[in-house]
Amino acid sequence: KNQVEQSPQSLIILEGKNCTLQCNYTVSPFSNLRWYKQDTGRGPVSLTIMTFSENTKSNGRYTATLDADTKQSSLHITASQLSDSASYICVVSEMTYKYIFGTGTRLKVLA
Amino acid sequence: GAVVSQHPSRVICKSGTSVKIECRSLDFQATTMFWYRQFPKQSLMLMATSNEGSKATYEQGVEKDKFLINHASLTLSTLTVTSAHPEDSSFYICSASPAISTDTQYFGPGTRLTVL
Repeated sequence: KNQVEQSPQSLIILEGKNCTLQCNYTVSPFSNLRWYKQDTGRGPVSLTIMTFSENTKSNGRYTATLDADTKQSSLHITASQLSDSASYICVVSEMTYKYIFGTGTRLKVLA
Repeated sequence: GAVVSQHPSRVICKSGTSVKIECRSLDFQATTMFWYRQFPKQSLMLMATSNEGSKATYEQGVEKDKFLINHASLTLSTLTVTSAHPEDSSFYICSASPAISTDTQYFGPGTRLTVL
Protein backbone atom coordinates (compact mmCIF):
# COMPACT_ATOMS: atom_id res chain seq x y z
CA LYS A 1 0.00 0.00 0.00
CA ASN A 2 1.33 3.45 -0.92
CA GLN A 3 1.90 5.43 2.24
CA VAL A 4 3.72 8.54 3.37
CA GLU A 5 4.53 8.89 7.05
CA GLN A 6 5.88 11.99 8.71
CA SER A 7 7.52 12.61 12.05
CA PRO A 8 7.29 14.21 14.43
CA GLN A 9 3.56 14.86 14.41
CA SER A 10 4.15 18.22 16.07
CA LEU A 11 7.15 20.26 17.10
CA ILE A 12 7.77 23.38 19.16
CA ILE A 13 11.03 25.29 18.84
CA LEU A 14 12.38 28.69 19.80
CA GLU A 15 12.87 31.39 17.22
CA GLY A 16 16.31 31.25 15.66
CA LYS A 17 16.77 27.51 16.20
CA ASN A 18 17.07 24.90 13.48
CA CYS A 19 14.86 21.86 13.06
CA THR A 20 14.52 18.81 10.85
CA LEU A 21 11.32 17.12 9.77
CA GLN A 22 11.24 13.53 8.55
CA CYS A 23 9.29 11.76 5.82
CA ASN A 24 9.28 8.02 5.05
CA TYR A 25 7.40 6.64 2.09
CA THR A 26 6.50 3.33 0.49
CA VAL A 27 5.16 4.76 -2.76
CA SER A 28 6.05 2.79 -5.86
CA PRO A 29 6.71 3.45 -8.65
CA PHE A 30 8.19 6.74 -7.46
CA SER A 31 8.02 9.88 -9.56
CA ASN A 32 8.96 12.77 -7.30
CA LEU A 33 8.73 14.10 -3.75
CA ARG A 34 7.54 17.53 -2.71
CA TRP A 35 7.50 19.47 0.52
CA TYR A 36 4.67 21.91 1.08
CA LYS A 37 4.04 24.54 3.73
CA GLN A 38 0.43 25.06 4.76
CA ASP A 39 -0.54 27.97 6.93
CA THR A 40 -3.69 27.54 9.01
CA GLY A 41 -6.76 28.12 6.86
CA ARG A 42 -4.77 28.35 3.63
CA GLY A 43 -3.87 26.08 0.76
CA PRO A 44 -0.48 24.32 0.54
CA VAL A 45 2.42 26.22 -0.97
CA SER A 46 5.26 24.34 -2.63
CA LEU A 47 8.72 24.57 -1.02
CA THR A 48 10.79 22.00 -2.93
CA ILE A 49 10.44 19.22 -5.46
CA MET A 50 12.93 16.42 -5.98
CA THR A 51 13.11 13.63 -8.51
CA PHE A 52 14.72 10.23 -8.11
CA SER A 53 18.21 11.43 -9.01
CA GLU A 54 18.29 14.46 -6.73
CA ASN A 55 19.69 14.26 -3.22
CA THR A 56 19.37 17.83 -2.01
CA LYS A 57 17.28 20.85 -2.91
CA SER A 58 17.33 24.22 -1.19
CA ASN A 59 14.86 27.08 -1.13
CA GLY A 60 16.15 29.88 1.07
CA ARG A 61 16.23 28.64 4.67
CA TYR A 62 14.58 25.36 3.64
CA THR A 63 16.75 22.41 2.58
CA ALA A 64 15.23 19.09 1.57
CA THR A 65 17.11 15.83 1.20
CA LEU A 66 16.10 12.61 -0.49
CA ASP A 67 17.48 9.10 -0.13
CA ALA A 68 15.66 7.07 -2.78
CA ASP A 69 17.31 3.85 -1.61
CA THR A 70 15.94 4.03 1.92
CA LYS A 71 12.84 5.97 0.76
CA GLN A 72 13.40 8.75 3.24
CA SER A 73 13.35 12.51 2.97
CA SER A 74 13.96 15.32 5.39
CA LEU A 75 13.23 19.02 5.47
CA HIS A 76 15.68 21.16 7.40
CA ILE A 77 14.70 24.65 8.46
CA THR A 78 17.54 26.98 9.38
CA ALA A 79 17.29 29.95 11.74
CA SER A 80 13.57 29.55 12.26
CA GLN A 81 11.26 32.55 12.26
CA LEU A 82 7.83 33.06 13.78
CA SER A 83 6.35 32.96 10.27
CA ASP A 84 7.61 29.39 9.89
CA SER A 85 4.80 28.26 12.20
CA ALA A 86 2.67 26.09 9.94
CA SER A 87 2.05 22.50 8.88
CA TYR A 88 4.65 20.95 6.62
CA ILE A 89 3.39 18.25 4.31
CA CYS A 90 5.45 15.67 2.44
CA VAL A 91 3.82 14.61 -0.84
CA VAL A 92 5.04 11.74 -3.01
CA SER A 93 3.89 11.30 -6.59
CA GLU A 94 3.39 7.98 -8.29
CA MET A 95 4.25 7.57 -11.94
CA THR A 96 0.53 8.08 -12.58
CA TYR A 97 1.00 11.60 -11.10
CA LYS A 98 -1.39 10.89 -8.24
CA TYR A 99 -0.31 12.72 -5.10
CA ILE A 100 0.09 10.70 -1.91
CA PHE A 101 -0.04 13.04 1.08
CA GLY A 102 1.69 12.62 4.39
CA THR A 103 -0.16 13.50 7.58
CA GLY A 104 2.02 16.54 8.11
CA THR A 105 4.14 17.97 10.89
CA ARG A 106 2.75 20.95 12.80
CA LEU A 107 5.56 23.34 13.64
CA LYS A 108 5.20 26.08 16.23
CA VAL A 109 7.97 28.66 16.55
CA LEU A 110 7.98 30.60 19.79
CA ALA A 111 9.52 34.02 20.43
CA GLY B 1 2.66 32.69 -12.29
CA ALA B 2 0.58 29.53 -11.70
CA VAL B 3 -2.04 31.11 -9.46
CA VAL B 4 -5.20 29.28 -8.47
CA SER B 5 -8.07 31.12 -6.82
CA GLN B 6 -11.12 29.90 -4.98
CA HIS B 7 -14.39 31.64 -4.25
CA PRO B 8 -15.79 32.08 -1.73
CA SER B 9 -13.07 31.81 0.91
CA ARG B 10 -15.66 31.24 3.61
CA VAL B 11 -19.31 30.25 3.48
CA ILE B 12 -21.87 29.55 6.15
CA CYS B 13 -25.13 27.94 5.14
CA LYS B 14 -28.15 26.28 6.65
CA SER B 15 -28.59 22.53 6.61
CA GLY B 16 -30.36 21.34 3.48
CA THR B 17 -29.14 24.10 1.18
CA SER B 18 -26.66 23.74 -1.67
CA VAL B 19 -23.35 25.54 -1.88
CA LYS B 20 -21.20 26.14 -4.95
CA ILE B 21 -17.44 26.65 -4.72
CA GLU B 22 -15.47 27.95 -7.71
CA CYS B 23 -11.88 27.13 -8.55
CA ARG B 24 -10.06 29.16 -11.21
CA SER B 25 -6.62 28.95 -12.73
CA LEU B 26 -5.79 32.61 -13.31
CA ASP B 27 -2.74 32.49 -15.58
CA PHE B 28 -2.66 29.05 -17.13
CA GLN B 29 -4.95 26.50 -18.72
CA ALA B 30 -5.70 23.56 -16.47
CA THR B 31 -6.48 20.32 -18.20
CA THR B 32 -7.00 18.60 -14.88
CA MET B 33 -8.37 19.92 -11.62
CA PHE B 34 -8.57 18.18 -8.28
CA TRP B 35 -10.85 18.66 -5.31
CA TYR B 36 -9.74 17.86 -1.77
CA ARG B 37 -11.28 18.16 1.65
CA GLN B 38 -9.36 18.60 4.86
CA PHE B 39 -10.59 18.05 8.40
CA PRO B 40 -8.89 19.78 11.36
CA LYS B 41 -5.37 18.53 12.03
CA GLN B 42 -5.58 16.04 9.16
CA SER B 43 -4.00 16.03 5.74
CA LEU B 44 -5.73 16.58 2.44
CA MET B 45 -8.03 13.84 1.17
CA LEU B 46 -8.66 13.63 -2.56
CA MET B 47 -12.35 13.71 -3.40
CA ALA B 48 -12.33 13.72 -7.18
CA THR B 49 -10.33 14.41 -10.30
CA SER B 50 -11.87 16.27 -13.19
CA ASN B 51 -10.70 16.75 -16.74
CA GLU B 52 -12.05 19.56 -18.87
CA GLY B 53 -15.13 18.52 -20.79
CA SER B 54 -15.53 15.10 -19.21
CA LYS B 55 -17.11 13.61 -16.12
CA ALA B 56 -15.21 13.71 -12.87
CA THR B 57 -13.63 10.61 -11.39
CA TYR B 58 -14.57 10.24 -7.74
CA GLU B 59 -12.54 8.53 -5.05
CA GLN B 60 -13.99 5.58 -3.23
CA GLY B 61 -16.49 6.65 -0.61
CA VAL B 62 -17.24 10.05 -2.11
CA GLU B 63 -20.87 10.44 -3.18
CA LYS B 64 -20.95 11.83 -6.71
CA ASP B 65 -24.60 12.88 -6.38
CA LYS B 66 -23.81 14.90 -3.27
CA PHE B 67 -20.60 16.53 -4.51
CA LEU B 68 -21.29 17.70 -8.05
CA ILE B 69 -18.23 18.69 -10.02
CA ASN B 70 -18.27 20.63 -13.26
CA HIS B 71 -15.15 21.39 -15.29
CA ALA B 72 -16.67 23.25 -18.20
CA SER B 73 -13.60 25.24 -19.25
CA LEU B 74 -9.82 25.06 -19.04
CA THR B 75 -9.77 27.68 -16.29
CA LEU B 76 -12.82 26.93 -14.17
CA SER B 77 -14.08 24.03 -12.10
CA THR B 78 -16.94 24.12 -9.64
CA LEU B 79 -17.84 21.93 -6.70
CA THR B 80 -21.45 21.97 -5.54
CA VAL B 81 -22.25 20.47 -2.18
CA THR B 82 -25.91 19.53 -2.46
CA SER B 83 -28.28 19.32 0.50
CA ALA B 84 -25.45 20.18 2.85
CA HIS B 85 -25.41 18.79 6.38
CA PRO B 86 -23.26 19.72 9.39
CA GLU B 87 -20.96 16.76 8.75
CA ASP B 88 -20.07 18.35 5.40
CA SER B 89 -18.46 21.23 7.26
CA SER B 90 -14.84 21.15 6.23
CA PHE B 91 -12.03 22.93 4.42
CA TYR B 92 -12.29 22.35 0.67
CA ILE B 93 -9.18 22.87 -1.46
CA CYS B 94 -8.85 22.67 -5.21
CA SER B 95 -5.73 22.26 -7.28
CA ALA B 96 -5.03 22.57 -10.97
CA SER B 97 -2.50 20.97 -13.31
CA PRO B 98 -1.34 22.87 -16.38
CA ALA B 99 -1.33 21.15 -19.74
CA ILE B 100 2.44 21.63 -20.07
CA SER B 101 3.20 20.04 -16.70
CA THR B 102 0.57 17.45 -15.91
CA ASP B 103 2.47 16.07 -12.91
CA THR B 104 2.38 19.40 -11.08
CA GLN B 105 -0.56 20.64 -9.02
CA TYR B 106 -1.00 24.25 -7.94
CA PHE B 107 -3.26 24.62 -4.95
CA GLY B 108 -5.94 27.17 -4.29
CA PRO B 109 -6.26 28.98 -0.94
CA GLY B 110 -9.18 26.84 0.18
CA THR B 111 -12.82 27.41 1.13
CA ARG B 112 -14.06 27.02 4.68
CA LEU B 113 -17.60 25.61 4.65
CA THR B 114 -19.68 25.68 7.81
CA VAL B 115 -23.11 24.08 7.73
CA LEU B 116 -25.41 25.05 10.60
